[in-house]
Amino acid sequence: DAMVIQNPRYQVTQFGKPVTLSCSQTLNHNVMYWYQQKSSQAPKLLFHYYDKDFNNEADTPDNFQSRRPNTSFCFLDIRSPGLGDAAMYLCATSSGRGEQFFGPGTRLTVL
Amino acid sequence: AQKITQTQPGMFVQEKEAVTLDCTYDTSDPSYGLFWYKQPSSGEMIFLIYQGSYDQQNATEGRYSLNFQKARKSANLVISASQLGDSAMYFCAMRENDDYKLSFGAGTTVTVRA
Repeated sequence: DAMVIQNPRYQVTQFGKPVTLSCSQTLNHNVMYWYQQKSSQAPKLLFHYYDKDFNNEADTPDNFQSRRPNTSFCFLDIRSPGLGDAAMYLCATSSGRGEQFFGPGTRLTVL
Repeated sequence: AQKITQTQPGMFVQEKEAVTLDCTYDTSDPSYGLFWYKQPSSGEMIFLIYQGSYDQQNATEGRYSLNFQKARKSANLVISASQLGDSAMYFCAMRENDDYKLSFGAGTTVTVRA
């Protein structure tokens, strides 16, 4: 019955080595979001898609990219991870202006 | 300017007692939505309750109720009969008008004591 699935749950990468996090959904929602959340802080929106329309937050570093090949899948690419990119990455979906449904998150460690 | 303010970084509550988590918001839009999410230590954000700006009655979902005071711009979450499993971080969030994005508060950590 999983609705928003994130893989992997834990990801370890090396400084500067590209990494891709994935998110899939079974809700057929047209909006998908990626958040970065550091310890004991609120989630910070990186970008969101409305269908294929990509919306980047102004303060999202260029190091972060995203792809949404179809309705169900969305990927977060970190091109050159730095130590400061270690965080929980949360994917969420919504059908519009209603509540957002979150996945379990991917905890990224950068060595 | 901060759109959502949660002034309580952490709270302790005795099992079976009620607890109120404060949330104030700032918007000039007449149409907005207010949300509460729970985030246990596992990390997943769990939707709890929603209040629309035009809703006449306070929202309730099981043990969760939202004390919506529009004139004061507050949307406090009340958890009744606290359980050990309620120990988590709680976030208040707001969606304004036609936006698809949420603004989150800083969160409140609740610890339920046996």
